[in-house]
Amino acid sequence: EVQLVESGGGLVQPGGSLRISCTASGFTFSNYPMHWVRQAPGKGLEPVSAISTNGGDTYYADSVRGRFTISRDNSKNTLYLQMGSLRAEDMAVYYCARRPSSGFPDYWGQGTLVTVSS
Amino acid sequence: EIVLTQSPATLSLSPGESATLSCRASQSVGSYLAWYQQRPGQAPRLLINDASNRATGIPARFSGSGSGTDFTLTISSLEPEDFAVYYCQQRYNWPFSFGQGTKVEIK
Repeated sequence: EVQLVESGGGLVQPGGSLRISCTASGFTFSNYPMHWVRQAPGKGLEPVSAISTNGGDTYYADSVRGRFTISRDNSKNTLYLQMGSLRAEDMAVYYCARRPSSGFPDYWGQGTLVTVSS
Repeated sequence: EIVLTQSPATLSLSPGESATLSCRASQSVGSYLAWYQQRPGQAPRLLINDASNRATGIPARFSGSGSGTDFTLTISSLEPEDFAVYYCQQRYNWPFSFGQGTKVEIK
């Protein structure tokens, strides 16, 4: 069974940093590009970042470029998002999702909540 | 960035009725469009891949059509569990943007 489990969310002050993780199981993690998508409270879905199978290619939304870094450790079946210079508008549930190379994100985790507040 | 515009924002229907949701792209995305369902407190669920292909395990009452800039999701006979928010997404180019969502609510 495919499972994606996010962790590491929590309360952080504006300007602070946080790293969230996504641990995968039930499939060959290294074969799939991976994505982070976020959803602010009561709002829609927003793509945040994506990474290729070997980590060589990374993609960022303009709203987070230069502040967030996506990475993966295929030996640990884990995806990361290092978030820095956090702002109130970064507060959201962050979902990780796997994407078949020629398709759309087909499995999603349940999300981890990041709260940015003083 | 490609902007996806969904309409209507809210659809009020009764169980058993059919639902037609629209997604319009600001430029052509070919067939690179998906539909997701999101129930309250849950992660999005992929319904339709590449405009018209149902994802694994999705009931036949869900169907997608369109290409280029205009796309439609049809739910042929609404079941109680279908009342949710629906999003479209494109993967023609990065960022893989989403529409703002259509809420299908019980009338």
